[in-house]
Amino acid sequence: AQSVSQHNHHVILSEAASLELGCNYSYGGTVNLFWYVQYPGQHLQLLLKYFSGDPLVKGIKGFEAEFIKSKFSFNLRKPSVQWSDTAEYFCAVNTYSSASKIIFGSGTRLSIRP
Amino acid sequence: DTAVSQTPKYLVTQMGNDKSIKCEQNLGHDTMYWYKQDSKKFLKIMFSYNNKELIINETVPNRFSPKSPDKAHLNLHINSLELGDSAVYFCASRHDRATGELFFGEGSRLTVL
Repeated sequence: AQSVSQHNHHVILSEAASLELGCNYSYGGTVNLFWYVQYPGQHLQLLLKYFSGDPLVKGIKGFEAEFIKSKFSFNLRKPSVQWSDTAEYFCAVNTYSSASKIIFGSGTRLSIRP
Repeated sequence: DTAVSQTPKYLVTQMGNDKSIKCEQNLGHDTMYWYKQDSKKFLKIMFSYNNKELIINETVPNRFSPKSPDKAHLNLHINSLELGDSAVYFCASRHDRATGELFFGEGSRLTVL
C-alpha cells in the first residue's frame, strides 16, 4: 500500500534559520506530490505541488521543494524561517488509479522561537 | 465567499447519540472527501464521492454513513457515537478525481463525552 513518511515529528528553530523537512513516499508509479500547511486552529492550505516538469517547485511564502525520484523524496525547504511559519506541515502524495486518493504523512510540527 | 464550508464547526455530544456534519463546496468540483484528523494531527481519508458516486471507502465503521445529494454537497452521518470518534473532521474537494489539489473546509471538531 502507498504510504508517506515524515520522519521529523517536531522541529524547533530560531527565526532566520534555514529549514528542511523530510518527506518520503512509497509508490512505484506516477505520483503528484504536495505540501500543505496547517496554522494553529485553521484548516489545511496548499503550500506547493509537483505534477511534472522541473523537479524544483516553488510555492507560497518563500517555500520550495525538490522532487528526487530516485530517492522517492519531496523535501520542503525555506532559507530563512519567520515566527509566523509556526504550524503543522503535511506532505501528501496522490497516486494515479481509478480511485485516486491523496494520502498524507503524519505531519511535522514546526515551532519557531522569536 | 467560502469555497468549502462545513457546519457545524463545533459539536459536543454524548456517547450513543447520532449526529451529522454537512459540507458544501461552490468550486464546481466533481469530487469530495471526508478526512478525520485525530488528536495527534494524523489525517486519515475516510470517504470520497465523485459526482454523487462513492469511490473510496476506507475501512470506516459502518456507523459512519456519507451521503451526497448532489456533487456540491457531501454530508457525514455518525450513529451511536463513541469516545474514539472525537476528532476534527475535514471536508475537501478537488476538481478531478485523479489529479489536482484538495481544497479543505475549516473542519468540524467533534467531542464525544
